[in-house]
Amino acid sequence: DIQMTQSPSSLSASVGDRVTITCRASQDITNAVAWYQQKPGKVPKVLLYAASRLESGVPSRFGGSGSGTDYTLTINGLQPEDFATYYCQQLQVYPTWTFGQGTKVEI
Amino acid sequence: EAHLVQSGGGLVQPAGSLRLSCAASGFSFSSYEMNWVRQAPGKGLEWVSYISKGGITTYYADSVKGRFTISRDDAKNSLYLQMNSLRAEDTAVYYCVRLQGGVPNRRFDYWGQGTLVTVSS
Repeated sequence: DIQMTQSPSSLSASVGDRVTITCRASQDITNAVAWYQQKPGKVPKVLLYAASRLESGVPSRFGGSGSGTDYTLTINGLQPEDFATYYCQQLQVYPTWTFGQGTKVEI
Repeated sequence: EAHLVQSGGGLVQPAGSLRLSCAASGFSFSSYEMNWVRQAPGKGLEWVSYISKGGITTYYADSVKGRFTISRDDAKNSLYLQMNSLRAEDTAVYYCVRLQGGVPNRRFDYWGQGTLVTVSS
């Protein structure tokens, strides 16, 4: 099975900051990566897919990049509503869709 | 807009059984592959099971293989998860999830509201 190693596990940031979260896959997953945001007590919400494509309705301050085994989620200009936990997920290996361990973004 | 409404769940004793249901609306349910994902209290997301369109193919995480069974009834626009031989470590919120797109555009785009399963004596 493909492992997804996400880092950091948590970070502290301020409103307006640029935040970067990374995910490393145990093998090449050819851009089949999605990123999710989950707020406490809420259902996860997809932000990006195919490494860099923004899901409809998601603000453009969220961006994704990467290739091969290494992928990044960037939030440009952190907003108060962005404090949440973020997960990466590989969807290359069918169909064991592995998630990363999560990154909690705190004030 | 797509909606997934879950039912079932609750408190069950170890070794017991439980069946989760997920009713889909607002989209052509039979045209989508579906999954179950769970989240133990205070923990991350774990994919549990997958079912293909038409229900021909199913897959399971190693942690539930042989104990859980995923199924669907396209006539009723419903997805199910039969959970047998439940263990304390199966305690989690379970989500019914729709898979959208093909490689590399796949993602879980619609999620049910989640249902808590607690395995305890």
